[in-house]
Amino acid sequence: GENVEQHPSTLSVQEGDSAVIKCTYSDSASNYFPWYKQELGKRPQLIIDIRSNVGEKKDQRIAVTLNKTAKHFSLHITETQPEDSAVYFCAASIYGGSQGNLIFGKGTKLSVKP
Amino acid sequence: GAGVSQTPSNKVTEKGKYVELRCDPISGHTALYWYRQSLGQGPEFLIYFQGTGAADDSGLPNDRFFAVRPEGSVSTLKIQRTERGDSAVYLCASSLNGRGAEQFFGPGTRLTVL
Repeated sequence: GENVEQHPSTLSVQEGDSAVIKCTYSDSASNYFPWYKQELGKRPQLIIDIRSNVGEKKDQRIAVTLNKTAKHFSLHITETQPEDSAVYFCAASIYGGSQGNLIFGKGTKLSVKP
Repeated sequence: GAGVSQTPSNKVTEKGKYVELRCDPISGHTALYWYRQSLGQGPEFLIYFQGTGAADDSGLPNDRFFAVRPEGSVSTLKIQRTERGDSAVYLCASSLNGRGAEQFFGPGTRLTVL
């Protein structure tokens, strides 16, 4: 089955700096890669996603890149702000498949220092 | 409209007891997923419903866990003879059609087995 590895497990940056979180996946059939942000004690919330027919997607300060050949994808946050502090999870699934359940990485705790 | 809701928000029980956790998905969402999140980990898939039927229950850890969705809306996750290792946050998510569409998560039920 699918396995998703996520690095780093913790990341501390200064406000205004960029943050990059990387994930690798094992199943070449996976074609949908969402990123979720989870604040302490709260529900995971989708912040951006990418499908395998594109290599990059941007939404304001957030971007995701995908390398299908290498089976890895990354989250980029620019001009970080203290409110970006949270745990970020990458995930993989098969869009259009019969299940669509998400396989998650273990998460990255991002701390943005003012 | 209302998001995914889960009740109770917290449940404390004793080892060996039976518990039921409830999930109310977004109205009109045919797909419903249960995940379990242990401390410091990403959500782990348990079971997926498409309508009233369990389309994939491969993530249920053993036969003490069971889930139903009798009318294709509300779902109940049932755990028999609870063990301390069952302690975790149980998350429910729903999506429009289950074929890789965006999953919206509920706030979770924190289960503590003493």
